[in-house]
Amino acid sequence: KAGVTQTPRYLIKTRGQQVTLSCSPISGHRSVSWYQQTPGQGLQFLFEYFSETQRNKGNFPGRFSGRQFSNSRSEMNVSTLELGDSALYLCASSFGTTSPYEQYFGPGTRLTVT
Amino acid sequence: GQNIDQPTEMTATEGAIVQINCTYQTSGFNGLFWYQQHAGEAPTFLSYNVLDGLEEKGRFSSFLSRSKGYSYLLLKELQMKDSASYLCAVGFTGGGNKLTFGTGTQLKVEL
Repeated sequence: KAGVTQTPRYLIKTRGQQVTLSCSPISGHRSVSWYQQTPGQGLQFLFEYFSETQRNKGNFPGRFSGRQFSNSRSEMNVSTLELGDSALYLCASSFGTTSPYEQYFGPGTRLTVT
Repeated sequence: GQNIDQPTEMTATEGAIVQINCTYQTSGFNGLFWYQQHAGEAPTFLSYNVLDGLEEKGRFSSFLSRSKGYSYLLLKELQMKDSASYLCAVGFTGGGNKLTFGTGTQLKVEL
């Protein structure tokens, strides 16, 4: 069974630009969660999508948004990038029918904002 | 807040046993996970506890006491490849699959 995939793996952007990251969950998984990982803050929850609906949201500004498609693939978008958005962005998928449930992480997208 | 506390660093010897502790806020607790993360890689799932007691999986065991808001991960017969960050993560009622992570314990296994 293929694991969680994320594209792109690495990205360099300039302040003020916007970026879209993609996540394809494990086949059969309907929940996709997004996390930001930085050395100072560790792993922080951004949001979770289940069956195309945002089910939970973390404490991030509105510049961070996401969506989920009917095939459970998910995208997250960050607008008006700031230097502090440089981080590893991880998505995790699970069956998500009951919560919480075992989640499997993708390899992440390393975003650098200059 | 929903603070998850775990030691920042630990060092142990190859072949030994190490216990990594994690404490959390008990209100709304709905499950605890342990993940292993090697440098530059994604976290990988190790264990899940929702009821009190010990869960054993090969060289790794995880313990939970819900009343004390306490868990530990026990690693036996340590190997060099066990050098990694170990993340404690807690789910809370109403949070769906949202996990609140501790900052991780960096374990270094030495010869």
